Amino acid sequence: GQQVMQIPQYQHVQEGEDFTTYCNSSTTLSNIQWYKQRPGGHPVFLIQLVKSGEVKKQKRLTFQFGEAKKNSSLHITATQTTDVGTYFCGAYNFNKFYFGSGTKLNVKP
Amino acid sequence: NAGVTQTPKFQVLKTGQSMTLQCAQDMNHNSMYWYRQDPGMGLRLIYYSASEGTTDKGEVPNGYNVSRLNKREFSLRLESAAPSQTSVYFCASSEAVYTIYFGEGSWLTVV
Repeated sequence: GQQVMQIPQYQHVQEGEDFTTYCNSSTTLSNIQWYKQRPGGHPVFLIQLVKSGEVKKQKRLTFQFGEAKKNSSLHITATQTTDVGTYFCGAYNFNKFYFGSGTKLNVKP
Repeated sequence: NAGVTQTPKFQVLKTGQSMTLQCAQDMNHNSMYWYRQDPGMGLRLIYYSASEGTTDKGEVPNGYNVSRLNKREFSLRLESAAPSQTSVYFCASSEAVYTIYFGEGSWLTVV
């Protein structure tokens, strides 16, 4: 399947600190998607990136797609306790969708 | 909107028992998926269906069978459950290569 590596596996931050998670692929991706899963919940779609070098923002969240379309990042500015959860990147490979291993974010108030 | 509905939500099985996880979506999507989620392993694709009547293996298909009964329904069957199949199972659907919508999950324990 698609090899999408994601780091770090865990991140503990103090509320107000920034957070970044990274995804890397050994192959060029047609697009990449990001999902958030709250504890005990199911993954929920955040965004899709398609273009090389694309940057998209959603309030305090900034998503980037690398120039070579092999890596992506999600940056959260000034984390809040509501940001707690696991963030997954993922990509399609021959119509099947594969996820990275996820980054579990814990935010201490 | 119901979206993706999967049942049961919780199930405890004995080793060797069989069971079927049911999934239905009301968004008229062609693509449907079954994933399992284990701590530290992320979401791993078990089986995929591109359309009614077609299924394809994912990353971890061993020990599972699937049926795409019609466009709405995609079931996952464990013929002889093993403790290694203790996991959270998610059904999902999408239209082509766009957003994937997930069910609430099914927590399965095999003892």
